[in-house]
Amino acid sequence: AQKITQTQPGMFVQEKEAVTLDCTYDTSDQSYGLFWYKQPSSGEMIFLIYQGSYDEQNATEGRYSLNFQKARKSANLVISASQLGDSAMYFCAMRRPYSGGGADGLTFGKGTHLIIQP
Amino acid sequence: DAGVTQSPTHLIKTRGQQVTLRCSPKSGHDTVSWYQQALGQGPQFIFQYYEEEERQRGNFPDRFSGHQFPNYSSELNVNALLLGDSALYLCASSPSGGPWYQETQYFGPGTRLLVL
Repeated sequence: AQKITQTQPGMFVQEKEAVTLDCTYDTSDQSYGLFWYKQPSSGEMIFLIYQGSYDEQNATEGRYSLNFQKARKSANLVISASQLGDSAMYFCAMRRPYSGGGADGLTFGKGTHLIIQP
Repeated sequence: DAGVTQSPTHLIKTRGQQVTLRCSPKSGHDTVSWYQQALGQGPQFIFQYYEEEERQRGNFPDRFSGHQFPNYSSELNVNALLLGDSALYLCASSPSGGPWYQETQYFGPGTRLLVL
């Protein structure tokens, strides 16, 4: 079974500072994918970034980067130069290939509530 | 390019009733997954539909059922509603045909269901 742990229920960060959101995972699979989603108060889950278990380089997407440490089973999200609009819930999630083709449903952590202060 | 759409946005039902939620996937996507998100929790996978069949299912009872139509849109049905079914129901779509790791799921805005 897969499990995602996010140990920071909430974080307060000053605008323009960098922020790191922690995520650790547990799986016995060799092949898997790690995702980060942002959920504003409106409810929609917004895809931010993806890291594959076989990717040797850390993923980056604009201000988002994923600090992937496979041996430690961690996949922390780093947001550089935080903005007021970054205030939201952030979820780490995992997925693996499905034996019948395609991919499994996502397994999510409990999330981190990030608040950016001016 | 329209994203994932869901209807209705909000719904209030009473215990024992039945409810149907609807989802239209993002253009070019043929796989639809449904998730339940209770207040203060991360989403939990209910099931996934591909080629009009349920391909995978999470740990949810048979009261939760679904359907996928030829145009790839999908419905989630919940029978005999319980108070604990109150949650945000999220639909996600993804494309098939490529490597599994390219099947990134894109979510709709969700339907908020309140069971009284």
